[in-house]
Amino acid sequence: DAGITQSPRHKVTETGTPVTLRCHQTENHRYMYWYRQDPGHGLRLIHYSYGVKDTDKGEVSDGYSVSRSKTEDFLLTLESATSSQTSVYFCAISESANGPYEQYFGPGTRLTVT
Amino acid sequence: RKEVEQDPGPFNVPEGATVAFNCTYSNSASQSFFWYRQDCRKEPKLLMSVYSSGNEDGRFTAQLNRASQYISLLIRDSKLSDSATYLCVVDEKLTFGTGTRLTIIP
Repeated sequence: DAGITQSPRHKVTETGTPVTLRCHQTENHRYMYWYRQDPGHGLRLIHYSYGVKDTDKGEVSDGYSVSRSKTEDFLLTLESATSSQTSVYFCAISESANGPYEQYFGPGTRLTVT
Repeated sequence: RKEVEQDPGPFNVPEGATVAFNCTYSNSASQSFFWYRQDCRKEPKLLMSVYSSGNEDGRFTAQLNRASQYISLLIRDSKLSDSATYLCVVDEKLTFGTGTRLTIIP
């Protein structure tokens, strides 16, 4: 299995509080992604990174920010959590000479915003 | 129309049977296609890429139909361990379908 870890694995937080989720990889892959998965919507891309300090928005980026200061770490921040951000968050990595293909996922973080 | 659509199922199939499901996509310029499987409360895992000429990996066969804009996954001699949700992924934007749930019945 690809070396991807996510922390925390579970978190319960209150509306309005800031939350940071961490994704850590040991594969030295160039691309990293954050998705959320909700019933009826499948996996939706929040943000992705194509290198250190290089990030871009995905389909559902509102309310989220990211940072990547090292190849191995990709942080997802909810500046002020809302109940609509209750979800399962997956980090993924990929490496290809021709683009961001075949992804490998971390174990996920279950976030509940009360 | 959604960019990527899958029949959510569930598909309940007896062990040993053959099952197939499709995934349609809207962008005719799409170039990259994949199938992932996801077990309950687990992360998605890559099952196979889908090549233009079709490809096979053991009991699994993936096909691409560009004219009708869909990809398919065929599972032969299904096993209990094949029970999972199968997700298709299309294009460089890595757009996921919502998944098809498959249950293999003993």
